Amino acid sequence: DAGVTQSPTHLIKTRGQQVTLRCSPKSGHDTVSWYQQALGQGPQFIFQYYEEEERQRGNFPDRFSGHQFPNYSSELNVNALLLGDSALYLCASSGNDRAIYNEQFFGPGTRLTVL
Amino acid sequence: RKEVEQDPGPFNVPEGATVAFNCTYSNSASQSFFWYRQDCRKEPKLLMSVYSSGNEDGRFTAQLNRASQYISLLIRDSKLSDSATYLCVVEGQAGTALIFGKGTTLSVSS
Repeated sequence: DAGVTQSPTHLIKTRGQQVTLRCSPKSGHDTVSWYQQALGQGPQFIFQYYEEEERQRGNFPDRFSGHQFPNYSSELNVNALLLGDSALYLCASSGNDRAIYNEQFFGPGTRLTVL
Repeated sequence: RKEVEQDPGPFNVPEGATVAFNCTYSNSASQSFFWYRQDCRKEPKLLMSVYSSGNEDGRFTAQLNRASQYISLLIRDSKLSDSATYLCVVEGQAGTALIFGKGTTLSVSS
């Protein structure tokens, strides 16, 4: 059973460019959350997708946008990249059974470097 | 006040030592609490959930004090393999965003 997968693993971009990161959730999961982890910090919540819609959003500017596809996979897009966007971007998937706690499983992340 | 605050690290301990990590959270409406472990350059992984009654998993014991908005993790008989960053995590509403602390780094030496 494949866990959460992300691509690419590493990415180098320059300021002002745009980037798209991809995530495939764990089998059976329908909810995808994205987090940004800067060096030496804990992950920060960007947004969560469920049923192809953004369900919740953290304190990130509109340059950060996302999408969820019918197969539950998801993309994170960042426009007009800044040096401060350099970080590890983590995707986490979970189920949506409100009767139980749904653990969020993390993918290995995409390490983005903005020069 | 930050949403989740943890003890500053790093903690450097010898094998066999007992070490305790503390964490406070600001949102009294938070519903779920966790400790995650993150190895260097890897993704976070759930170590254990934290319940008001306290819970234990082998050498690891977690406690939650809702009145004080305080969470703790105790590691007994530390192993070299326990070396990692431990993240205190709070979930505001079931199934939604996880709020992470900055993490506390533990280094266990022989």
